Amino acid sequence: SQLAEENSWALSVHEGESVTVNCSYKTSITALQWYRQKSGKGPAQLILIRSNEREKRNGRLRATLDTSSQSSSLSITATRCEDTAVYFCATNTGNYKYVFGAGTRLKVIA
Amino acid sequence: GPKVLQIPSHQIIDMGQMVTLNCDPVSNHLYFYWYKQILGQQMEFLVNFYNGKVMEKSKLFKDQFSVERPDGSYFTLKIQPTALEDSAVYFCASSPRDRVEQYFGPGTRLTVL
Repeated sequence: SQLAEENSWALSVHEGESVTVNCSYKTSITALQWYRQKSGKGPAQLILIRSNEREKRNGRLRATLDTSSQSSSLSITATRCEDTAVYFCATNTGNYKYVFGAGTRLKVIA
Repeated sequence: GPKVLQIPSHQIIDMGQMVTLNCDPVSNHLYFYWYKQILGQQMEFLVNFYNGKVMEKSKLFKDQFSVERPDGSYFTLKIQPTALEDSAVYFCASSPRDRVEQYFGPGTRLTVL
């Protein structure tokens, strides 16, 4: 069964706008990572947020974690065309793997 | 940031042949992983390896699959024999001691004909 899933399959925004990708999960976690994967490349880590953290920032990116509702969000401000990618959340339940959601395809239009 | 390397980037082989995918993990990392991604689908966990042993594997890690890291060299995924459904991109990842973060390589695209 899928333990992590993003709530939108695809999003499209214009350059300069802000966008939020949401993720929900179904079991208690020790950490959640947001990744970005561009076409033909491996996943690149964006933000790691641990279960005792509520918010984390990395430049134009901001991740939140709500363990009571078992959800996380990744916000990107001032989007650029190069932000076009698939965004994944992946959850770690304290064992030896991360479980990935199917991803949200973000397209930033010039 | 830390880099995981994978060799080769592409591999095309005939069904039934053996293939070995190579991963050069981050140098001080202790945990190593393989994931499989079929085009357009989500990343799926195959196996985790630590201290010379498989710690956890999924149902996708068939009997034809094996992993090893002889003498701290490449972390390898061997498939013998290959099947058509093994066509996918295989990603290697590694983690440091606390296992919380994972860093991924660029993937090896395997095509089985």
